[in-house]
Amino acid sequence: GEDVEQSLFLSVREGDSSVINCTYTDSSSTYLYWYKQEPGAGLQLLTYIFSNMDMKQDQRLTVLLNKKDKHLSLRIADTQTGDSAIYFCAETSNAGNNRKLIWGLGTSLAVNP
Amino acid sequence: NAGVTQTPKFRVLKTGQSMTLLCAQDMNHEYMYWYRQDPGMGLRLIHYSVGEGTTAKGEVPDGYNVSRLKKQNFLLGLESAAPSQTSVYFCASTTTGRNQPQHFGDGTRLSIL
Repeated sequence: GEDVEQSLFLSVREGDSSVINCTYTDSSSTYLYWYKQEPGAGLQLLTYIFSNMDMKQDQRLTVLLNKKDKHLSLRIADTQTGDSAIYFCAETSNAGNNRKLIWGLGTSLAVNP
Repeated sequence: NAGVTQTPKFRVLKTGQSMTLLCAQDMNHEYMYWYRQDPGMGLRLIHYSVGEGTTAKGEVPDGYNVSRLKKQNFLLGLESAAPSQTSVYFCASTTTGRNQPQHFGDGTRLSIL
């Protein structure tokens, strides 16, 4: 079945780069998303990548997609304390016309000063 | 621009009480979703709707009912609340089109005593 896996925790120093990894199983996924959830808040779309792309860069964020290995990563350059949050990876589900997303469990990023 | 609005934001119930959570979106989205978020378990889909007047079960539907009488509103009901339903509930919506991520509300924090 469809599944998305992420490591649960990551700790980095302020100013370093953070790399959050995600693996998925549905090779027919059209889009893959990264969402950010700050404490006590809802989920906000951070960035996304279309399945025919290898890389997407948006300011401090770089998304890399390896379709062969079904591996997605999010790199945050110059990580700041405001980047401390839970990051969710999600892929589009192609099981039915319902636009559901398949979610990872989230990676909790802690940024230490 | 309100987006997705959830009411109430917080609620404490006693076991056996009933309540309804309201989700309203002003983006004319066709698809709406109710999730619950529990520590270590990520987001789990409770029920969803692909259009006005339609509803469908997600992965954890037991103990919940939903209604989508108006396109902009998606209601989640707990008929007889149980402590296991203590959670944070999120509503999301999306629309048709090639890349349409889900947009989330800020959540409802529900405690069942």
